[in-house]
Amino acid sequence: EIVMTQIPLSSPVTLGQPASISCRSSQSLVNSDGDAYLSWLHQRPGQPPRLLIYKISNRFSGVPDRFSGSGAGTDFTLKISRVETEDVGVYYCMHATRFPYTFGQGTKLEIK
Amino acid sequence: EVHLLESGGGLVQPGGSLRLSCTASGFIFSNFGMSWVRQAPETGLEWVSGISASGGSTYYADSVQGRFNMSRDNSKNTLYLQMNNLRAEDAATYYCVSGGSYFWGQGTLVTVSS
Repeated sequence: EIVMTQIPLSSPVTLGQPASISCRSSQSLVNSDGDAYLSWLHQRPGQPPRLLIYKISNRFSGVPDRFSGSGAGTDFTLKISRVETEDVGVYYCMHATRFPYTFGQGTKLEIK
Repeated sequence: EVHLLESGGGLVQPGGSLRLSCTASGFIFSNFGMSWVRQAPETGLEWVSGISASGGSTYYADSVQGRFNMSRDNSKNTLYLQMNNLRAEDAATYYCVSGGSYFWGQGTLVTVSS
């Protein structure tokens, strides 16, 4: 099983300022097809998670361009260029390279 | 618009059974693998099981292997999760998820208690 480790677990941010979350996998996430199935999800309180980024750096439909993903191999980063109020909640990285899929512990983003 | 609607959750005693369903719309259901992911109260996300687009292959987390059975009926655009011998630690909101993580349902709550 691939272990996903997120840093930090909590991130107080000032509105309008950038935020960054790191995710490290215990093994390479590159699949036999050459793609790395690393996704970033956002969950607001009381709501289901929703997809932000897939395959490391691809923004999902409707996701604002202030969100960006980067990385390779085993180290990945989600960046928010300017945090807005609606960005609060918990962010998860997740891999879907092979079964079992696994998630990071979650990073709680809150406004200072 | 993609829509995933879970149903079948509820209160069950330890050792009991439940069958969850997920009805999909807004996409070609038979083209996509699907997963069930659960979330216990105030905790993170745990992948539970996955199934291939055809239904010919299924995969399970070690924590549910041998107790849960995932299936699908592509003619009905419906996904199922048969949960047997339920334990207290299976209590969670269960989400139906398309592909690896593209679309998520609203979830259905499973409570295991005597």
